[in-house]
Amino acid sequence: DAEITQSPRHKITETGRQVTLACHQTWNHNNMFWYRQDLGHGLRLIHYSYGVQDTNKGEVSDGYSVSRSNTEDLPLTLESAASSQTSVYFCASSVDRSYGYTFGSGTRLTVV
Amino acid sequence: DQQVKQNSPSLSVQEGRISILNCDYTNSMFDYFLWYKKYPAEGPTFLISISSIKDKNEDGRFTVFLNKSAKHLSLHIVPSQPGDSAVYFCAASGWDTDKLIFGTGTRLQVFP
Repeated sequence: DAEITQSPRHKITETGRQVTLACHQTWNHNNMFWYRQDLGHGLRLIHYSYGVQDTNKGEVSDGYSVSRSNTEDLPLTLESAASSQTSVYFCASSVDRSYGYTFGSGTRLTVV
Repeated sequence: DQQVKQNSPSLSVQEGRISILNCDYTNSMFDYFLWYKKYPAEGPTFLISISSIKDKNEDGRFTVFLNKSAKHLSLHIVPSQPGDSAVYFCAASGWDTDKLIFGTGTRLQVFP
């Protein structure tokens, strides 16, 4: 069965470290997205991609980067982790908006 | 600037009764709206959607209503069941993009 997986599920890192969160989907979807979920803010878009070599900034992109070298993967990198980036991160993929998104199970990141 | 707002952070409803979750948006370019449901430690899952050419869409116990003039949509769940207890997010998209803008979420609790 097709799926979208995120790893790791939980991560604790120190301030200033570089961290990469993985997202892998086997739906063959062109569109992939990264969101963060925070209390009182809901889900906020970090970065998104409409295909290989395409990346775009979302609402809260500062301090984050992504790269899309193939259809299946969209890794999210925190260049220098900050305590404000403690959050739950969700990756999603889609064919187009009319079919909705398929979300991964999330990565809980704690920056200490 | 929150383009999609869910002003009720929580809602408590008795089993068998109707649950009504509300969502307001500010961007008149939005033309497609979705509701997602999220259980703890899981990613959001797609529930129901509506295009701006409609004012109502039904799927079993779930109905979404759209009032374009008021920039307001609502999700009705009838009858409510304990398994409906979750966080519900509304989301919106413009005609020229596949990215979704999410609201802050409403936590629904259905009690016996």
